[in-house]
Amino acid sequence: DIQMTQSPSSVSASVGDRVTITCRASQGINIWLAWYQHKPGRAPKLLISGASSLQSGVPSRFRGSGSGTVFTLTISSLQPEDFATYYCQQANDFPLTFGGGTKVEIK
Amino acid sequence: EVQLVESGGGLVQPGGSLRLSCAASGFTFSHYWMYWVRQAPGKGLVWVSRISSDGSTTTYADSVKGRFIISRDDAKNTVYLQMNSLRADDTAVYYCARMAGDATMVVDWFDPWGQGTLVTVSS
Repeated sequence: DIQMTQSPSSVSASVGDRVTITCRASQGINIWLAWYQHKPGRAPKLLISGASSLQSGVPSRFRGSGSGTVFTLTISSLQPEDFATYYCQQANDFPLTFGGGTKVEIK
Repeated sequence: EVQLVESGGGLVQPGGSLRLSCAASGFTFSHYWMYWVRQAPGKGLVWVSRISSDGSTTTYADSVKGRFIISRDDAKNTVYLQMNSLRADDTAVYYCARMAGDATMVVDWFDPWGQGTLVTVSS
């Protein structure tokens, strides 16, 4: 199985801060990577697919990059509605696997 | 509006069975691969199963293989997850999700998701 390792597991940040989350795959996955935002009690939301393609309606402050084994999700200027848990997911091989999640909390 | 609504969760004893349903609306259901993903309390997301648009291909996580069965009824725009021989570690919120994109190619990422249904396995 492809292991997805996210770091950090949590981050405390203020509105307006830049936040970067890293996701590492245990083997190369090309650009078969997606990022999701998940708020408690809500449906997870797809933010980015193909490592860097922003989904329609997702604010441009979200940016994904990377290929192979190292990927990043950057929120350029954190907004109040961005406080949530973020997950990466590889779609290169089965079983499909997620990272452990990064909780973005209010400082 | 594209919408997925799960139902069928609840409390079940170890060894018991439960069938989850996911009713879809707002898109051409028969064109899309469908998925189940779960989240145990306080844990992260775990992919469970998928079914192809024509129902001919199903894939499962090893942890549920041989116990869970995914199926679909295109006439009812519904995907199901039959869960048998349930164990305590199957306790989770189960999310239904649609394949992302416009269905012209198969991509195994998920958009949108339903709100989830809670399954609790306990005596």
